[in-house]
Amino acid sequence: AQSVTQLGSHVSVSEGALVLLRCNYSSSVPPYLFWYVQYPNQGLQLLLKYTSAATLVKGINGFEAEFKKSETSFHLTKPSAHMSDAAEYFCAVSESVSGTASKLTFGTGTRLQVTL
Amino acid sequence: KAGVTQTPRYLIKTRGQQVTLSCSPISGHRSVSWYQQTPGQGLQFLFEYFSETQRNKGNFPGRFSGRQFSNSRSEMNVSTLELGDSALYLCASRHSDRSVYEQYFGPGTRLTVT
Repeated sequence: AQSVTQLGSHVSVSEGALVLLRCNYSSSVPPYLFWYVQYPNQGLQLLLKYTSAATLVKGINGFEAEFKKSETSFHLTKPSAHMSDAAEYFCAVSESVSGTASKLTFGTGTRLQVTL
Repeated sequence: KAGVTQTPRYLIKTRGQQVTLSCSPISGHRSVSWYQQTPGQGLQFLFEYFSETQRNKGNFPGRFSGRQFSNSRSEMNVSTLELGDSALYLCASRHSDRSVYEQYFGPGTRLTVT
């Protein structure tokens, strides 16, 4: 069974500082991995996805993530935080097996706070 | 291209009633999935429809059901509402049923059961 663990339910950074949100996955087959962001009272917006094409994935709003198979990790980073980055971030996994791969399994989310 | 739309955005129902939520996917997307989001359980998969057929189902009681129409629009129904059904219900669409394609989410329907 696939699963995702997000370390740290709350992360606080200063504006301009590095953002690092951690995600570890467990999957019996090569996974597809996603990061989504959710702003208050809104749905989920896709930030980036990993589908085995490249281990370093660049997404929107300056975010990127690196897939490390040896560490079963897919951490999200941004070099310089902006106030508008304050939101909740979800890591999700989908197995690359046709027929059973339709569902996303989400982590518990990390709330990012950006302070002045 | 318009995004995923969900109606209504907010809904208040009484325990024991039933409710129907609607989702219109992105044009050309044939797969629609539904998720429930609560503070306690987080984001949980309900079911997915592709070409009017349910392809996958999460671990929810039979009170939760859905369907998809020939134009790919989808509805989910919850019968005999319980207080614990209060949640944000999110619909997501995808171009096909292959997992390599990312899912795009709508704004959600906030259901409150009193």
